[in-house]
Amino acid sequence: GAGVSQSPRYKVAKRGQDVALRCDPISGHVSLFWYQQALGQGPEFLTYFQNEAQLDKSGLPSDRFFAERPEGSVSTLKIQRTQQEDSAVYLCASSPRTGEGIDEQFFGPGTRLTVL
Amino acid sequence: AQKVTQAQTEISVVEKEDVTLDCVYETRDTTYYLFWYKQPPSGELVFLIRRNSFDEQNEISGRYSWNFQKSTSSFNFTITASQVVDSAVYFCALMTTDSWGKLQFGAGTQVVVTP
Repeated sequence: GAGVSQSPRYKVAKRGQDVALRCDPISGHVSLFWYQQALGQGPEFLTYFQNEAQLDKSGLPSDRFFAERPEGSVSTLKIQRTQQEDSAVYLCASSPRTGEGIDEQFFGPGTRLTVL
Repeated sequence: AQKVTQAQTEISVVEKEDVTLDCVYETRDTTYYLFWYKQPPSGELVFLIRRNSFDEQNEISGRYSWNFQKSTSSFNFTITASQVVDSAVYFCALMTTDSWGKLQFGAGTQVVVTP
C-alpha cells in the first residue's frame, strides 16, 4: 500500500510510562503533520514538519510531547510520563508539497493510545 | 481567532434521503481554504473537497455537492440519495495562509444511514 502508515495501531500505557508512536508518510511527501483526536471530537493540530525541519509545534500540549523527523521521512511522536488526559487517537498526515500550494493532507489510520 | 462550528452532532436518515451538513467558520484572514473530510468507522480521514476563499462556485461530485457562501461564512455539504456506505463522521476544516498546514477542524457530524 502507498498510504500513510502508523504503528502501533493500539497502545496501552500505564500512567507515567513513556510511549513512542511512529508514522511512515507517503514516499516523497515533503510535509508531515501530527494531530490528536479525543473521543467524539475533531482532530487537533499538534505539530508540522517540512522535511526534517519542525516548522510549527504550537499545538503540542506540554513539554512532555516531543516529535522528530530526523531524515525527513519517518516521524516519531514521543510522550513522556503519560497522563490519563493523553488518551486519544494520534493521527499522522502527509502532503506532497510545501507552502507554495495548499494540498490535501493524506491521513493514516491513527494510533489509539489508552493511558490507565 | 479561527473557529469551525458544526452544530449538528448526529443526523439519522433512511437510505435514499438527502442529507445536508452545516459548517460555519470564523476567520479574519482574507485568504483561506475550506475542506471536508469523511471519517468512516475504520478511523482513517478521507479527503473529499478543498475550496479556496476566492472561489465561491458551488461544486458537485457525483452524489456530493457543496455550497460555499462567504456572506454567511458557511460551507455546507449535501449528500443526495444517501446510501448505507455514507455512514461516517464528516468533518469540516479551515486552513489560513497565516497558519499554513494547520487544519482547524470542527467537532464533526455523525451521519447514520439506515436501510
